[in-house]
Amino acid sequence: EAQVTQNPRYLITVTGKKLTVTCSQNMNHEYMSWYRQDPGLGLRQIYYSMNVEVTDKGDVPEGYKVSRKEKRNFPLILESPSPNQTSLYFCASGRTSNYGYTFGSGTRLTVV
Amino acid sequence: GENVEQHPSTLSVQEGDSAVIKCTYSDSASNYFPWYKQELGKGPQLIIDIRSNVGEKKDQRIAVTLNKTAKHFSLHITETQPEDSAVYFCAASWGSQGNLIFGKGTKLSVKP
Repeated sequence: EAQVTQNPRYLITVTGKKLTVTCSQNMNHEYMSWYRQDPGLGLRQIYYSMNVEVTDKGDVPEGYKVSRKEKRNFPLILESPSPNQTSLYFCASGRTSNYGYTFGSGTRLTVV
Repeated sequence: GENVEQHPSTLSVQEGDSAVIKCTYSDSASNYFPWYKQELGKGPQLIIDIRSNVGEKKDQRIAVTLNKTAKHFSLHITETQPEDSAVYFCAASWGSQGNLIFGKGTKLSVKP
C-alpha cells in the first residue's frame, strides 16, 4: 500500500530533550515536506526537500532541523524542544512539489 | 510570495444541500490548485485538483472551478452526506519548484 508513515503518533516530552520524528514513504517520491497544524492557523510548512541532500526552509523553520540522506526518509529533529512547539505535525510526499501530496497520519507532540 | 485566503472558516448545511468553499490566491503565476479533506484524527487527503489550463473539473459529487482572471477557485459538493463532514483545505502552487501554500481550512458540518 502506497503510504507515508510517521512515528510516533503521540509524544509527550520535556523542554530541552532532543527528539526525532521519523517519516518514511514507499512511493519513490522526490518531494517531501513537514507541516505543523495549529488551531486557526492551518498547515504551516516547516521544511521541505526537493530531492536527496536538497532541503530548504519553509515558513516556520525556527527550532527544527531536517535531513534527507535517502529518498524515502525525511526525519524532523527538535534539538531543544520548547512548549511553543506543542502541535500536530504532518509529513507529506509528492512526485514533485507541484503535484498532489500524500500525507502521513500525523504526530501529536506535547512539550511540557 | 503566494498567499491563499479561504472562506468561510465554518460551514453548516443540511444533508442533501450543496456546499461551496472559496479560495483566492495572490500569485498570478500559480498553476496548480488541489483540495484536501481532513477527517478527525487523520492526515489531509487529496480529493480533487485542477491545473491552470482547465476551468472546471468534476468527480462524482465534487467539482472544482477556477477563474484565473479573478484569481479564485472554488470547491462544490452536491447532495451532501454526513460523511462529508470534515475540514477542507485549498492550496496553490506555481511552477515545478513551487511549494503548495495552504488556506486556513473550512470546517464543514453536514446535519442529517
